[in-house]
Amino acid sequence: DSGVTQTPKHLITATGQRVTLRCSPRSGDLSVYWYQQSLDQGLQFLIQYYNGEERAKGNILERFSAQQFPDLHSELNLSSLELGDSALYFCASSVEPGGEQYFGPGTRLTVT
Amino acid sequence: GDSVTQMEGPVTLSEEAFLTINCTYTATGYPSLFWYVQYPGEGLQLLLKATKADDKGSNKGFEATYRKETTSFHLEKGSVQVSDSAVYFCALSDLSGGQGNLIFGKGTKLSVKP
Repeated sequence: DSGVTQTPKHLITATGQRVTLRCSPRSGDLSVYWYQQSLDQGLQFLIQYYNGEERAKGNILERFSAQQFPDLHSELNLSSLELGDSALYFCASSVEPGGEQYFGPGTRLTVT
Repeated sequence: GDSVTQMEGPVTLSEEAFLTINCTYTATGYPSLFWYVQYPGEGLQLLLKATKADDKGSNKGFEATYRKETTSFHLEKGSVQVSDSAVYFCALSDLSGGQGNLIFGKGTKLSVKP
């Protein structure tokens, strides 16, 4: 158990819908990262937050957004969902940017 | 930009065989290098890491050495077990332009047969 929790574990929704994925980092970790794992794209970095502020953006679509709250948990919002958004979404946390990252178990999103 | 290339699998070995999974990287700076492992249905676990040239990371019988001259970080294990069956990802930490986010290779699936 990495100490990083993600909810829900599975999510099935229809095209055009909006969903929110939640991540709670390890106790004491200030930095949260979101990654997407899909069969065709592999593991890709989406976005990073540190102590509530956005620090880095990767290949994140404009339909996706995220935030980190004062209690340090983070949410990833995916809107206008398309079939191609079906993937595993991982959250990871570290004490500080560049530190060792610990991954949550992931949320498997299926868009039908 | 920075990138990681690792040998594509699947790799199938018999128990107690020697394992090598090749990984090379391209980076403008001096990244930290990692191997992560993903067991079926689970998230990623850090297997080992190296933060500077010539460092050797090791864990659970796995080893990898940070080779700056060949920009490589090959994963090795002398004697694999059935329980090592998993997908292995090589990654680097993007410290130059980013904030330490990881850049992953495509993963290598290892199957170990009894």
